Amino acid sequence: GAVVSQHPSRVICKSGTSVKIECRSLDFQATTMFWYRQFPKQSLMLMATSNEGSKATYEQGVEKDKFLINHASLTLSTLTVTSAHPEDSSFYICSARSGATIANEKLFFGSGTQLSVL
Amino acid sequence: AQKITQTQPGMFVQEKEAVTLDCTYDTSDQSYGLFWYKQPSSGEMIFLIYQGSYDEQNATEGRYSLNFQKARKSANLVISASQLGDSAMYFCAMSVTGANNLFFGTGTRLTVIP
Repeated sequence: GAVVSQHPSRVICKSGTSVKIECRSLDFQATTMFWYRQFPKQSLMLMATSNEGSKATYEQGVEKDKFLINHASLTLSTLTVTSAHPEDSSFYICSARSGATIANEKLFFGSGTQLSVL
Repeated sequence: AQKITQTQPGMFVQEKEAVTLDCTYDTSDQSYGLFWYKQPSSGEMIFLIYQGSYDEQNATEGRYSLNFQKARKSANLVISASQLGDSAMYFCAMSVTGANNLFFGTGTRLTVIP
């Protein structure tokens, strides 16, 4: 099956620093990538949707200046948490879609990034 | 608005037994899809099974089957012959026409007891 690679898997940083998380589709072209946030023992919350070559669409309540998303190519999307604070500590997971419409297995997930801000 | 409800925060099952994880959904769309994902402690989301709203047959994938009851708006996951490796979080999710993303339930933590 298709593979989505997410890096790093875990990052610990000091408050005030910025952290970049990469999401790569390894064997398919991802027209759309999604970024989710997951708090402990909770569900996945969609943060933003990014389409290659255009600005990301953010969900209500998500600060676009804090969570910068870049989808520069059909295989790479990055999420940068700027000036991270302890409340940004969370599990971030990306997913990528190869087709024009969402259907069964055509939404592939990365392995997630656990961000801990000290 | 779309909503997925998983009422079981945790479930236990004896190894080799079958277990049903509940999922109910709410949508006004006629065309939608229902998914189940498994999330082990490593964090990755593993696709298990999919059911389209117009599919007349219940979906099956190996030991996984989806008990789709459209009138009741339920899409329960049945895992047969549970294995220790099945211990994980399980999420029910829904897609609807015109929406790019999936709507997730709150998940059920399944623990398989040896």
